[in-house]
Amino acid sequence: AAGVIQSPRHLIKEKRETATLKCYPIPRHDTVYWYQQGPGQDPQFLISFYEKMQSDKGSIPDRFSAQQFSDYHSELNMSSLELGDSALYFCASSPRLAESSTDTQYFGPGTRLTVL
Amino acid sequence: DQQVKQNSPSLSVQEGRISILNCDYTNSMFDYFLWYKKYPAEGPTFLISISSIKDKNEDGRFTVFLNKSAKHLSLHIVPSQPGDSAVYFCAASGASGTYKYIFGTGTRLKVLA
Repeated sequence: AAGVIQSPRHLIKEKRETATLKCYPIPRHDTVYWYQQGPGQDPQFLISFYEKMQSDKGSIPDRFSAQQFSDYHSELNMSSLELGDSALYFCASSPRLAESSTDTQYFGPGTRLTVL
Repeated sequence: DQQVKQNSPSLSVQEGRISILNCDYTNSMFDYFLWYKKYPAEGPTFLISISSIKDKNEDGRFTVFLNKSAKHLSLHIVPSQPGDSAVYFCAASGASGTYKYIFGTGTRLKVLA
């Protein structure tokens, strides 16, 4: 079965550079979530999109922005990177947002970002 | 403030025995709970979920129990297998009408052959 695809899988950047992470949800899933997992930490919610509109916002820094496109894929743009941004970034998708909170989110393999 | 807590960072269990992983939460508005399994360098894999209207859900070797009055849920794995060795996260959602997941801190399970 098709899963959530994230690219790139690994990314190394220097401080103050920018990075773009991409997420391709499971087909027919229209809701995308982004999570950040620091070393030894639990995943923390960043932002979510439903039908190309931002649906919820968590602890996402102002230096980060994200959007969902017409094909439902999403991109997380990160600017002025800091050492503390080094983490695993997971994308998850679910089939729908509006109907119920009980729609399971399915996670991608993550992008490991290292900021030097 | 950690709304979802897993107080045991690690657990070792002999193969064939029962593994019990625990999770506590503080927000009574959560209405959906899940368990995810995570291997290194991979994303969390969905295992099992439970709605707040139930107190038990079973799927093969995995059973999740929910005690709403105690704000506690647990995952039972019977029988445990070496391939179950991974980090297990519990997650909760539904508070304040949002669907984002709040994760616990994870429990590393090691099943000994």
